[in-house]
Amino acid sequence: SYELTQPPSVSVSPGQTARITCSGDALPKKYAYWYQQKSGQAPVIVIYEDNKRPSGIPERFSGSSSGAMATLTISVAQVADEADYYCYSTDSSGNGGIFGGGTKLTVL
Amino acid sequence: QVQLVESGGGVVQPGRSLRLSCAASGFTFSSFGIHWVRQAPGKGLEWVAVIWFDGSKKYYADSVKSRFTISRDNSKNTIYLQMNSLTAEDTAVYFCTRQLGFGEGSYFDYWGQGTLVTVSS
Repeated sequence: SYELTQPPSVSVSPGQTARITCSGDALPKKYAYWYQQKSGQAPVIVIYEDNKRPSGIPERFSGSSSGAMATLTISVAQVADEADYYCYSTDSSGNGGIFGGGTKLTVL
Repeated sequence: QVQLVESGGGVVQPGRSLRLSCAASGFTFSSFGIHWVRQAPGKGLEWVAVIWFDGSKKYYADSVKSRFTISRDNSKNTIYLQMNSLTAEDTAVYFCTRQLGFGEGSYFDYWGQGTLVTVSS
């Protein structure tokens, strides 16, 4: 079955750039989306269609995609950015969805 | 303001059934597709099911196909998830979430706070 693969954890110091990757065979043909989930809260969309930022999301969040890998970049990371980040895409049929396993971002 | 409120969670024995509800308000409910996403304790997000805005199409994750049924009542602004033959692996917080847009490029813009389902004897 189709999978999206993320690193379990990423750690950076405040002010540094954090990069979280997501790999999947269908990503060359499908958009990647990124959701941020803070402890005990519902997820929030931070990037859609590989690299678009919804209104209200800080400019330090950006996305890119090349081949079978999508990347979420958080520039000048802040302690407030500590969360679990999940990539999401549609399956090969385009009718179902799939999440990556999630990446815990630590900023300290 | 847009609100999605899940209910119906609780403790249920293996093999039994449970029906979750997702009550929507603050938007034109009949114009939006709605998904269920679940999260097992301490684990990641798992997409479960989707129903189109008019109820004409429904799709399921392989892990729940043939056991779960998603439906909607646009007159009540409510989505349902009927869960049958439950197992311990179905233990999770179940979120409903609104799909903004249609097809490629659409994403989940509003989420409920979730309802916990615990399958245990």
